[in-house]
Amino acid sequence: QVQLVESGGGLVKPGGSLRLSCTASGFTFSDYYMSWIRQAPGKGLEWVSYISGSSTYTSYADSVKGRFTISRDNAKNSLYLQMNSLRAEDTAVYYCARQLAGGDSSSFDYWGQGTLVTVSS
Amino acid sequence: SYELTQPPSVSVSPGQTASITCSGDKLGNKYAFWYQQKPGQSPVLVIYQDNKRPSGIPERFSGSNSGNTATLTISGTQAMDEADYYCQAWDSSTGVFGGGTQLTVL
Repeated sequence: QVQLVESGGGLVKPGGSLRLSCTASGFTFSDYYMSWIRQAPGKGLEWVSYISGSSTYTSYADSVKGRFTISRDNAKNSLYLQMNSLRAEDTAVYYCARQLAGGDSSSFDYWGQGTLVTVSS
Repeated sequence: SYELTQPPSVSVSPGQTASITCSGDKLGNKYAFWYQQKPGQSPVLVIYQDNKRPSGIPERFSGSNSGNTATLTISGTQAMDEADYYCQAWDSSTGVFGGGTQLTVL
């Protein structure tokens, strides 16, 4: 069965960096776009970034562009999010999610359990 | 930037029909997706491409999308359907979520 397991969250000071990982199993990882989606405490969902199966295409929300970098290692069935210049407003649970397809027709059909990132001094 | 607007809350009696709307400029020209999130859990896809149900999602969940509004309809609402619901679409290769609607079954 499809499983997505995030790791790497924790407490970091403003201006600091953190790298999140998501390990996938139960499907051919390289065949799928993957996304990071976050949820601030008590708030709604916010899409952060996606990456295509071959890493050819990436996209970012304006709120993280230039600070966050998405990447993947298909040999390791792993997705990453490098987060730099972190701000208090980046505090959230970060989910990795599989996209059913690429482009405007794609939905997030499987989600991980999330990893909490807290940015505070 | 593109925005999707949902009512913050909707209430429904058990067995009745709940409708949750999602509004956005020319949303009917895009695909709408709906996710259910229960407290302490990860979101679950309940409707994709406007009106398709993933495997395992009950038939009481249905969707439509036309003009500026997408609608998630839950027929014969059950207590287990109480959750937050989020609509989602894509705009210029970026994902957009609505603010979410808390569905209360009382």
